[in-house]
Amino acid sequence: RKEVEQDPGPFNVPEGATVAFNCTYSNSASQSFFWYRQDCRKEPKLLMSVYSSGNEDGRFTAQLNRASQYISLLIRDSKLSDSATYLCALRGLIWGLGTSLAVNP
Amino acid sequence: NAGVTQTPKFQVLKTGQSMTLQCAQDMNHEYMSWYRQDPGMGLRLIHYSVGAGITDQGEVPNGYNVSRSTTEDFPLRLLSAAPSQTSVYFCASTLGPGANTEAFFGQGTRLTVV
Repeated sequence: RKEVEQDPGPFNVPEGATVAFNCTYSNSASQSFFWYRQDCRKEPKLLMSVYSSGNEDGRFTAQLNRASQYISLLIRDSKLSDSATYLCALRGLIWGLGTSLAVNP
Repeated sequence: NAGVTQTPKFQVLKTGQSMTLQCAQDMNHEYMSWYRQDPGMGLRLIHYSVGAGITDQGEVPNGYNVSRSTTEDFPLRLLSAAPSQTSVYFCASTLGPGANTEAFFGQGTRLTVV
């Protein structure tokens, strides 16, 4: 089993929709988690860290569920500019394959 | 603060040629790594280094060499380019393998081997 697994999508949603991605991990000792955004063939860039208590940054909310060993990213009021691939990462070293999001007008 | 600087951005090689992709970081990060990314494959680890003088193989090391003579630099060498090495390459650094910190990426090198 891969250490990190993501649903690759693609997710196609209309503008204004709410969309959520999950990322499951197998190592229960994992301590730090991140969500990255990657635009077409550009370098991944940090979107947000994931804190144990959950955290929010504008339209983006990250959650950690240690009991079920997954992290989630919720995007509210989707914009066209949110179209990208979203990667989850453990410790900045272990990477999911990424989930592709297309927001349509 | 430049972060991670990766060169070149684009490169076309003929089969059998060799080249070096350069990567430098100015954040005093111990851990540096090279990935290749192909459509639908995600980031695949080629080689990594946990500090100057220490390197190790990742998931897909064949055909590539690395060295880490300084903390700042981590070049990736293609020994004899093959069409299967056509890919986008990313260098990344993070504070350390045991540290709970984010990774920083270079801008990537789009390599085509003909």
